[in-house]
Amino acid sequence: DIQMTQSPSSLSASVGDRVTITCRTSQSIYNYVNWFQQKSGKAPKLLIYSASTLETGVPSRFSGSGSGTDFTLTISSLQPEDSARYFCQQSYTTPLTFGGGTKVEIK
Amino acid sequence: QVQLQESGPGLVKPSQTLSLTCSVSGGSISDGGYSWSWIRQHPGKDLEWIGYIFESGNTYYNPSLKSRVTISMDASKNQLSLNLRSMTAADTAVYYCARSFKDVPDYWGQGSLVTVSS
Repeated sequence: DIQMTQSPSSLSASVGDRVTITCRTSQSIYNYVNWFQQKSGKAPKLLIYSASTLETGVPSRFSGSGSGTDFTLTISSLQPEDSARYFCQQSYTTPLTFGGGTKVEIK
Repeated sequence: QVQLQESGPGLVKPSQTLSLTCSVSGGSISDGGYSWSWIRQHPGKDLEWIGYIFESGNTYYNPSLKSRVTISMDASKNQLSLNLRSMTAADTAVYYCARSFKDVPDYWGQGSLVTVSS
């Protein structure tokens, strides 16, 4: 199985801050990484697919980058509604696997 | 807009079989190009892909669960189903169904909490 290692596991930042979450994979998976946002008690919501393509309707402050084994989700200016847990997922091969998640809190 | 809704028992006894149904609206599970997944999230928050099914009926399962899982679909009802046998406490989780395009889950149900306890 492809292992997805996310860091940090949690962070606290102020409104307006730039936030970066990383995901490292156990083998090269080109750009087959996707990012999800999960708010408390809700299902995950797709934010970014194919490493850097913004899903329709997702605010442009979210962006993704990376290829190979190292990937990044960036929130350019953190907003109160961005308080959530964020997951990466690989769609390169089955079994599909997810990162452990990053909890983002607002100071 | 595609919507998915899971239904099933909230409580299952150890060794029993879990049966969940996912009702799909706003789209057909017979539409080509999509897979229909079951994904679970344990109380520790980790997400685990269980498996998926295509409109052809072809299925792919996570090897860690393959011996206990069956995913099926009923096109006439626009539903997919999950059966997970020999349940233990380690199977306690929120179970989600999701539509995927090229293995990217883009629409999710709201989730169904299943607790395994006697």
